This record gives sequence, structure tokens and C-alpha cells, in this order.
Amino acid sequence: EDQVTQSPEALRLQEGESSSLNCSYTVSGLRGLFWYRQDPGKGPEFLFTLYSAGEEKEKERLKATLTKKESFLHITAPKPEDSATYLCAVHENRDDKIIFGKGTRLHILP
Amino acid sequence: DAGVTQSPTHLIKTRGQQVTLRCSPKSGHDTVSWYQQALGQGPQFIFQYYEEEERQRGNFPDRFSGHQFPNYSSELNVNALLLGDSALYLCASLQNGEDTQYFGPGTRLTVL
Repeated sequence: EDQVTQSPEALRLQEGESSSLNCSYTVSGLRGLFWYRQDPGKGPEFLFTLYSAGEEKEKERLKATLTKKESFLHITAPKPEDSATYLCAVHENRDDKIIFGKGTRLHILP
Repeated sequence: DAGVTQSPTHLIKTRGQQVTLRCSPKSGHDTVSWYQQALGQGPQFIFQYYEEEERQRGNFPDRFSGHQFPNYSSELNVNALLLGDSALYLCASLQNGEDTQYFGPGTRLTVL
């Protein structure tokens, strides 16, 4: 069964304390992997799309990386405004479906 | 550049009623997907519309139906509402053939 698992479920960091969020996936074939940021009660905001192992993308304090089994979202020197839920989604080839993980709730303390 | 818009923002219904949610895609997009997001969960795919037809469907009952109009906007209809239908309903759009979809702000549906 195709699965997307995100860890940890929740993470509390001090401002400036760098860390990484994990998204592991089990799908028959990967067409693309997506990262979104979601604020409470709002729609997900697109961050990155990754297509192949070894690919990396950066935006401000965020960097996303991809291997054959997982993706990491690295957050460098985070600020309180980076507090949000970060969602990972996988577009799998066989059924052409997009599967979301449950997200990681990130809280940055000032 | 107008992003994805959804209406209404919030809605309160009672069990057994019917509801219609609306979505306008991002400019230049022709494909619309609908998702249901329960509290603390990731979005669950309901269905996708392209060229005014349902192209894909997730694991949702027939009480959930939709429509796409010639201007690419879309509606989600839910009949015989259940308490468990309370959720944030998200619309996402993309250009057919591309991979990245963009989400609207969502409609919060509460069923009492």
C-alpha cells in the first residue's frame, strides 16, 4: 500500500536552532514530491517540488532534499514566523494519485 | 495574478442537509481537485475535474459529487451531511500536464 509518513509529529525549537523534518514514502513509482506550509485554518502554501534522488531546492531558511526513500526539509536558523504545519505529498505513478502525509507541526520559540 | 479562490469561508449545516462549495482556479489553470482535511490530518483527495469531467476519484462515497464549468471553476456538492463531514474543504488547481498544484484558502464546514 502506498504510504507517506512524516516525522516528528510535532517539534518545538528555540529561535535560531536548526533542525530537519522527515518525509518517508513507499510508492510504486515517484512522479514528484511536494512540500507545503500550512498555517492554522488556512490552505497549504506551495514551497517545493522535487523529482529525482539527489535533487535539492532552497528558499530563504528552507532547503528540501530527496533520496529514493525519503525527503528532508532542513530549517536553518528558524524564526518565530516559520511556525506552521509542514506537509509532504507524493505524486505516485501507478494510479496517478497524490498522497499527503499528516504533517509536522513546527513551533519556533522566541 | 489571481490565486485560487473559494467560497464561502465558513459554513454551518445540520445533519441530513446538502451543501455546495465553490472554487475558482488560479489564472491559467484548467484542472481542479478537491480535498477534505480533518483536524490534525493531511488533506484527503476527493476527486479531480478536467475538461468538465471527473477524471479521478478518491475513496469517498457518492454523496460527494462535483461539477466543472466551461470557465474551469468548480463546485463540490455533499448530500445527506453527516457529523463526520465536518472538515476544511480545500480546492487546488494546476495546468494539465504539470505537476505542482496550488491551494485555495479552504472552506470550513461544520455539521451540527
